[in-house]
Amino acid sequence: QKEVEQNSGPLSVPEGAIASLNCTYSDRGSQSFFWYRQYSGKSPELIMSIYSNGDKEDGRFTAQLNKASQYVSLLIRDSQPSDSATYLCAVNSGGGADGLTFGKGTHLIIQP
Amino acid sequence: GAVVSQHPSRVICKSGTSVKIECRSLDFQATTMFWYRQFPKQSLMLMATSNEGSKATYEQGVEKDKFLINHASLTLSTLTVTSAHPEDSSFYICSASSGLGPLHFGNGTRLTVT
Repeated sequence: QKEVEQNSGPLSVPEGAIASLNCTYSDRGSQSFFWYRQYSGKSPELIMSIYSNGDKEDGRFTAQLNKASQYVSLLIRDSQPSDSATYLCAVNSGGGADGLTFGKGTHLIIQP
Repeated sequence: GAVVSQHPSRVICKSGTSVKIECRSLDFQATTMFWYRQFPKQSLMLMATSNEGSKATYEQGVEKDKFLINHASLTLSTLTVTSAHPEDSSFYICSASSGLGPLHFGNGTRLTVT
């Protein structure tokens, strides 16, 4: 059974600080890793994708992947109140033909 | 970027009626489409996977006779909730894959059964 684990939170971070979101996965054969942001009542929106070990930066977002530890994280720098949302970690073991396995999400609250 | 259109965005229906939800990939051919359901404060739960021209694969616990999925073309999949009941009220989200890269999601359909 493929599992993706996230701390459900809420994670409260002051505005301007770095928010750190963590995710572990059980399937060692996983190849693709994604972070989605979901606002209440809305559909998930892709924030970052990462496929190889190391860091990947895009604006204020940095995804980090460590396949040996089966761990993926998302850092949000200079956190803004608009970043308050639920962040879903998703893992794909194949080339896209399989549905993503989602974690339950971490509820992030950025305090003004 | 890849766009997935889902319609309707919101529907209210009476108990016992059927509701059809459409999911279209607008700028790419979706070899596989997925249907998720999300209850309040819960994560997305995969209901079924559909491949163009073949029968959908349903996840355990999802009634295939109640949730009819048709994937007639590479750009369109439909989910029909038959004989809807109040407990079927939920947020239904489709996503599509071209076989490479991440899934792209539709905007979701809020179904309320009265």
